[in-house]
Amino acid sequence: TQLLEQSPQFLSIQEGENLTVYCNSSSVFSSLQWYRQEPGEGPVLLVTVVTGGEVKKLKRLTFQFGDARKDSSLHITAAQPGDTGLYLCAGAARGGTYKYIFGTGTRLKVLA
Amino acid sequence: DTAVSQTPKYLVTQMGNDKSIKCEQNLGHDTMYWYKQDSKKFLKIMFSYNNKELIINETVPNRFSPKSPDKAHLNLHINSLELGDSAVYFCASSQVTSARSYNEQFFGPGTRLTVL
Repeated sequence: TQLLEQSPQFLSIQEGENLTVYCNSSSVFSSLQWYRQEPGEGPVLLVTVVTGGEVKKLKRLTFQFGDARKDSSLHITAAQPGDTGLYLCAGAARGGTYKYIFGTGTRLKVLA
Repeated sequence: DTAVSQTPKYLVTQMGNDKSIKCEQNLGHDTMYWYKQDSKKFLKIMFSYNNKELIINETVPNRFSPKSPDKAHLNLHINSLELGDSAVYFCASSQVTSARSYNEQFFGPGTRLTVL
């Protein structure tokens, strides 16, 4: 069974601090995605990483795919209250793109 | 101009009842999904349909029956509701391109189901 474990599960930080969220698996994924979900809404895609070792930047967010394509990280620089939300990693399950496995989630709260 | 819409937003019902949740997407996508998000925010796929054909049925009880009348709609009917069915149900859609190993899923706002 393919699983994606995220850490930390909860994170509460002050505005301006940096943070990193990890997404780990014992399985290889062809690609990994990061979504952000705000209360009362569905997840929204932030980025997809495809190549082992790939680094993508989205303003203050930096995403990295592990060399072995088993893990990924999301780093936020100078966090803002608007970054508050549930961050989910997701990977396409073995055998196709019709099934996505989501990570256990990281709830981030950024205090002003 | 909502991309993926679900109705109702909230659903409160008694154990044993039958209920339906509707989902529509206006993105022209060929694939639609149902996910269940539990109280710990864990999001788990239930079904995926491609061009109205069931592709994934993730060992969901028979009480759950999805129906796709056309590519833009994927409804979820639940029979004999149980307490454990209480959760937020999300519909999503994507355009699956066979040449790629990934696609972007667009999620609806969710339906919060509470079974009493």
